[in-house]
Amino acid sequence: DAGVTQSPTHLIKTRGQQVTLRCSPKSGHDTVSWYQQALGQGPQFIFQYYEEEERQRGNFPDRFSGHQFPNYSSELNVNALLLGDSALYLCASSRGQVESPLHFGNGTRLTVT
Amino acid sequence: GDSVTQMEGPVTLSEEAFLTINCTYTATGYPSLFWYVQYPGEGLQLLLKATKADDKGSNKGFEATYRKETTSFHLEKGSVQVSDSAVYFCALSDQGFQKLVFGTGTRLLVSP
Repeated sequence: DAGVTQSPTHLIKTRGQQVTLRCSPKSGHDTVSWYQQALGQGPQFIFQYYEEEERQRGNFPDRFSGHQFPNYSSELNVNALLLGDSALYLCASSRGQVESPLHFGNGTRLTVT
Repeated sequence: GDSVTQMEGPVTLSEEAFLTINCTYTATGYPSLFWYVQYPGEGLQLLLKATKADDKGSNKGFEATYRKETTSFHLEKGSVQVSDSAVYFCALSDQGFQKLVFGTGTRLLVSP
């Protein structure tokens, strides 16, 4: 049973560029959340998708956007990259119920130069 | 807003030593509390949780008790192993188990 898978594992981009990160949830899960983990910090909630809609959003600018597909996989898009966007981006999946524990992927390491 | 404060690391211990990692929180409601562990090169794994005051979460020899009066959720283990070396994150959620607010993490290093 595959867990949460993310791609790519590493990515290097230049300031001003755009990036797309991908996530496949654990089998049986229908909710996907994205977190940003800066170096030496705890993860910060970006947003959550359920039934192909953004259900909740953290304190991130509109440059961060996402999408969920009918097969429950998800994408995170970041436009106009800044140096401060360099971080580990974590995807987490769960079942739709509120008290369903999150399962995290290994993350995508984004470096912006 | 909600926040979590953890003791700074690294915490360096010898094998079989007693472990305590302090965690306190600030929340307007009655959040659920969690400890997650991150091994090198891996994502976060849920270690244990507690959903109401005085609940004790436990897993793999680790324990933490939800103390509402002191707004704390300290992680303890009676005898650590080298394999416990990892970064430990305390977290809360006031929306079930979703939308977690994390602390900054505490690195644990256990030597043989």
